Amino acid sequence: GAVVSQHPSWVICKSGTSVKIECRSLDFQATTMFWYRQFPKQSLMLMATSNEGSKATYEQGVEKDKFLINHASLTLSTLTVTSAHPEDSSFYICSASPSTATEQFFGPGTRLTVL
Amino acid sequence: QKEVEQDPGPLSVPEGAIVSLNCTYSNSAFQYFMWYRQYSRKGPELLMYTYSSGNKEDGRFTAQVDKSSKYISLFIRDSQPSDSATYLCAMRYTGNQFYFGTGTSLTVIP
Repeated sequence: GAVVSQHPSWVICKSGTSVKIECRSLDFQATTMFWYRQFPKQSLMLMATSNEGSKATYEQGVEKDKFLINHASLTLSTLTVTSAHPEDSSFYICSASPSTATEQFFGPGTRLTVL
Repeated sequence: QKEVEQDPGPLSVPEGAIVSLNCTYSNSAFQYFMWYRQYSRKGPELLMYTYSSGNKEDGRFTAQVDKSSKYISLFIRDSQPSDSATYLCAMRYTGNQFYFGTGTSLTVIP
């Protein structure tokens, strides 16, 4: 149980294009989903927290117009990197938290490479 | 001062050794404590979850929480090469926000 999937697992795009990453909780309802960014050999950096049906709460320094988050249902959240640039290349990981539990369950991550 | 401190390592041990991984924290309000294992280029995987002080054992893994010292530990017995990964501690109080350590890189040498 408690499986979270992400799609795609790896994406390469040209500078200036937008990329959408999906995060799904497969066997539970996630009232809260989190989006993280991770650089090589560094820890997770929380970007934003989203609750189903509400606007996401962004961490300080994260541009909400660049990183669009939609949490339209209890099993799906999307992160759209708009007008991506090479410095946006990173490993993006989502996690989901069921309402009845206090743990976070992580997806496998999405590697974004912007050329 | 960071909310959660974790020695990044790297830590290298021979196969079969007992591994001790630790985190300290500053906020006494933390109540929920977790350990995650992250293999290279993969998402973190929940290993252990504990509430408040005490010990919890699961197979070769034991998690300890000492709230009086604001110190948590993860012990791995009979370590295996497959245990080689980065181990992240995490904690939270009430509310949604989790606080993560920077992770400790562990290599178990056959």
